Amino acid sequence: GDSVTQMEGPVTLSEEAFLTINCTYTATGYPSLFWYVQYPGEGLQLLLKATKADDKGSNKGFEATYRKETTSFHLEKGSVQVSDSAVYFCALSSFYNTDKLIFGTGTRLQVFP
Amino acid sequence: GAVVSQHPSRVICKSGTSVKIECRSLDFQATTMFWYRQFPKQSLMLMATSNEGSKATYEQGVEKDKFLINHASLTLSTLTVTSAHPEDSSFYICSARDQGTEAFFGQGTRLTVV
Repeated sequence: GDSVTQMEGPVTLSEEAFLTINCTYTATGYPSLFWYVQYPGEGLQLLLKATKADDKGSNKGFEATYRKETTSFHLEKGSVQVSDSAVYFCALSSFYNTDKLIFGTGTRLQVFP
Repeated sequence: GAVVSQHPSRVICKSGTSVKIECRSLDFQATTMFWYRQFPKQSLMLMATSNEGSKATYEQGVEKDKFLINHASLTLSTLTVTSAHPEDSSFYICSARDQGTEAFFGQGTRLTVV
């Protein structure tokens, strides 16, 4: 079945460092891909998404490109801030059932001043 | 964005008792609500999908008699864990969406069964 694999955390960075969180997927058809973020004490929030190959999702300085050839959707940010500290979830929704989100295990990011 | 409120955020209950978790959409109509479960260091797993006024659709392997879902209004869904046991201890998350919109998530409920 469809699945999402993302790197284990925590990822610990200094402020202004470059961030990459890897995400790969297995799916039949053409899924949509998402990154969600969960700040402490809050619900998951949609950070960005891409619905077809080579699409780039971007928001708040974060970017991810839908790479069909490598089945990847890595999250990047050029310069992280302390306020980016959160748990990041990669997810996909099946081409055949767009209601169902399949999540990765989440990666905790800790940014220190 | 839209707000989904989940209550309680934490609950401890005795083995054999039932516990109810509420999920409310505060500023939109939630025609569809989703319930997830997350074990430590594992993915969020979809348990069931419910549409307002209809019976919930459960994912394979989820006991519908143990996890009762009610979605009686456009702003409220409840998940009742019946006769809870320690293996039901987990983090439960709801999400809600209106037709054609993205889903918004509650902050989650940590259930501990002792």
